[in-house]
Amino acid sequence: GDSVTQKEGLVTLTEGLPVMLNCTYQTIYSNAFLFWYVHYLNESPRLLLKSSTDNKRTEHQGFHATLHKSSSSFHLQKSSAQLSDSALYYCALRVNYNVLYFGSGTKLTVEP
Amino acid sequence: EAAVTQSPRNKVAVTGGKVTLSCNQTNNHNNMYWYRQDTGHGLRLIHYSYGAGSTEKGDIPDGYKASRPSQENFSLILELATPSQTSVYFCASGPGQGNTEVFFGKGTRLTVV
Repeated sequence: GDSVTQKEGLVTLTEGLPVMLNCTYQTIYSNAFLFWYVHYLNESPRLLLKSSTDNKRTEHQGFHATLHKSSSSFHLQKSSAQLSDSALYYCALRVNYNVLYFGSGTKLTVEP
Repeated sequence: EAAVTQSPRNKVAVTGGKVTLSCNQTNNHNNMYWYRQDTGHGLRLIHYSYGAGSTEKGDIPDGYKASRPSQENFSLILELATPSQTSVYFCASGPGQGNTEVFFGKGTRLTVV
């Protein structure tokens, strides 16, 4: 079935270092839509960025990701981590205009 | 801004009791979803709905029922609550098409003792 894998459960970084959170997905369908959601403590999860176009970089709020259908990946990156980036990050997949399937999430902690 | 409201925000229930979690959205979205969030498992889909009167099973429906009496409201029902259902539950709504996003409520923290 359709699924999303986020291998890192916890990532701890020093402020100013680059961020890379991994996301791979599995689906038999070619029309995959990929999303990154961010969940700050005591708030609702919200959309960070999304893509359905192969090999096109998408950016929002300093983060960027590129959907690579050849490797079924949609890694989230940022050039320089900030303390305020500390949150739970979810990668998600939608195929065939159906439900949104989430990965297990990566908790990012940025330290001074 | 899409609005999804969940109630209650916190609930303590006894084992074997019935629990109803409510969700209301004011954005006229066709699709609504119930997820539970657990460390190490992320957001897992319990039930979803395509519109009033429809409910569909997600990945982990056992022990849960859902009800969608109207476009705006979607409830999650635990007929016989168990401690394993202690979790944070999120309701979400969205148009359900392509790359459109879903909008989440603030969550309900349920503790079954």
